[in-house]
Amino acid sequence: DAKTTQPTSMDCAEGRAANLPCNHSTISGNEYVYWYRQIHSQGPQYIIHGLKNNETNEMASLIITEDRKSSTLILPHATLRDTAVYYCIVISSNQFYFGTGTSLTVIP
Amino acid sequence: GAGVSQSPSNKVTEKGKDVELRCDPISGHTALYWYRQSLGQGLEFLIYFQGNSAPDKSGLPSDRFSAERTGGSVSTLTIQRTQQEDSAVYLCASSRTRDTGELFFGEGSRLTVL
Repeated sequence: DAKTTQPTSMDCAEGRAANLPCNHSTISGNEYVYWYRQIHSQGPQYIIHGLKNNETNEMASLIITEDRKSSTLILPHATLRDTAVYYCIVISSNQFYFGTGTSLTVIP
Repeated sequence: GAGVSQSPSNKVTEKGKDVELRCDPISGHTALYWYRQSLGQGLEFLIYFQGNSAPDKSGLPSDRFSAERTGGSVSTLTIQRTQQEDSAVYLCASSRTRDTGELFFGEGSRLTVL
C-alpha cells in the first residue's frame, strides 16, 4: 500500500484558509486519496476523496497534483470547530492505514 | 440506529481478564473494520470483514485478539488475558460496500487495563 507523509502540526487563523499538505509519492494508478478528520474524543469523520481530478464538497476542497504524488486539503474559511487531527489516506484492497495525521489548531 | 454503535463506551478491567467489545454497524453496510488508538497515537488497523469473505486479520497484534462477525452484521472483538498495553480506544467502522472508502466510525470503546 502507498504510504503518506503529513506535517505533524499546523496552525491557522480563524477565517483564513487552511491548507493541509500530504505526500503520497508511491501511489499507484488505481488508488484513491481520502481525507478524514478526528475531533478530540470522537471517531474519525470522512471529509472528501479523489482519484485524479480536484474535488469540492460542502466541507472542503481537494487538490491533487497532476503526477498524483501529493495532494492538499483546503478548508476555505477555518473555524474553531475545525481544530482536529486530519488524516490523509491512500487505500487499496480496502486497507485503510491512518498514520498519525496533522494536528490542525485554528487560532481565534 | 442511524450510526455505528459500540458498547461498552468505557470498560475498566484487571490484567489477565478477558473482555468483549461489541460493534453494531449501519444497517446494510457489508464492510466492517476494527481499529485501535492508543493515547496520542494514530489509528492502528486490526481486522476487516467484508460480507461472507474470510476476514483480513493481518493487523491483530497477537493471538490474544480475535474477532467475529455474526450474520454479516454485529461484530465482537475479544481480547483474552488482557495486558496493560491493551489499554486504548477501540474504534469500529463500517462502509456500504467494499468499493467505497467512506467509513462511518462509532464513538469507540475505551478500554483501561489496570
